[in-house]
Amino acid sequence: AQTVTQSQPEMSVQEAETVTLSCTYDTSENNYYLFWYKQPPSRQMILVIRQEAYKQQNATENRFSVNFQKAAKSFSLKISDSQLGDTAMYFCAFMKHGSGGSNYKLTFGKGTLLTVNP
Amino acid sequence: NAGVTQTPKFQVLKTGQSMTLQCAQDMNHEYMSWYRQDPGMGLRLIHYSVGAGITDQGEVPNGYNVSRSTTEDFPLRLLSAAPSQTSVYFCASSRQGIYEQYFGPGTRLTVT
Repeated sequence: AQTVTQSQPEMSVQEAETVTLSCTYDTSENNYYLFWYKQPPSRQMILVIRQEAYKQQNATENRFSVNFQKAAKSFSLKISDSQLGDTAMYFCAFMKHGSGGSNYKLTFGKGTLLTVNP
Repeated sequence: NAGVTQTPKFQVLKTGQSMTLQCAQDMNHEYMSWYRQDPGMGLRLIHYSVGAGITDQGEVPNGYNVSRSTTEDFPLRLLSAAPSQTSVYFCASSRQGIYEQYFGPGTRLTVT
């Protein structure tokens, strides 16, 4: 079974600064996907960024980027130029790669509550 | 495209009552799933389905039933609600081979 650990229950950052959220995971799989989801106060789950384990290049999406260290099983999220709208709960999640329904299951961490201060 | 819709948004039940949480998607996605979110716990998988007529258990299936008679709908049934089922419930869907899951807006359920 896979486990995902987010060791920072809460973090805060000043507007326009950079913040990094940590995530580690444990798996015996070699092919998998990692995700960061954002959940603002509206409760909607929003996909922020995705990383395929077989890709060495770190994924980036505008102000969001990841530092994927496969050997260390680490997957951190960096938010640059933080904005007030980034205030949300952030979840790290793991999914196995491959065919079959069980490979669509997401395993989530417990989340990090990020507050962006003006 | 409405995406993934869930009804109701909020529900209060008494212990022992039954109810069905509705989930529908209009994207012709094969895969659908139900998660529950509890404070400090992240989201945990309850049940999932890879297509009409096919369902399987996730991490926390006890107390919940599902069925999938159509591609579009995936209802979650609570046969005898318990206070431990107080939670926020999310439905999600994805297309086979595409690993991004689309989430519904959630249902907040309180069991007293």
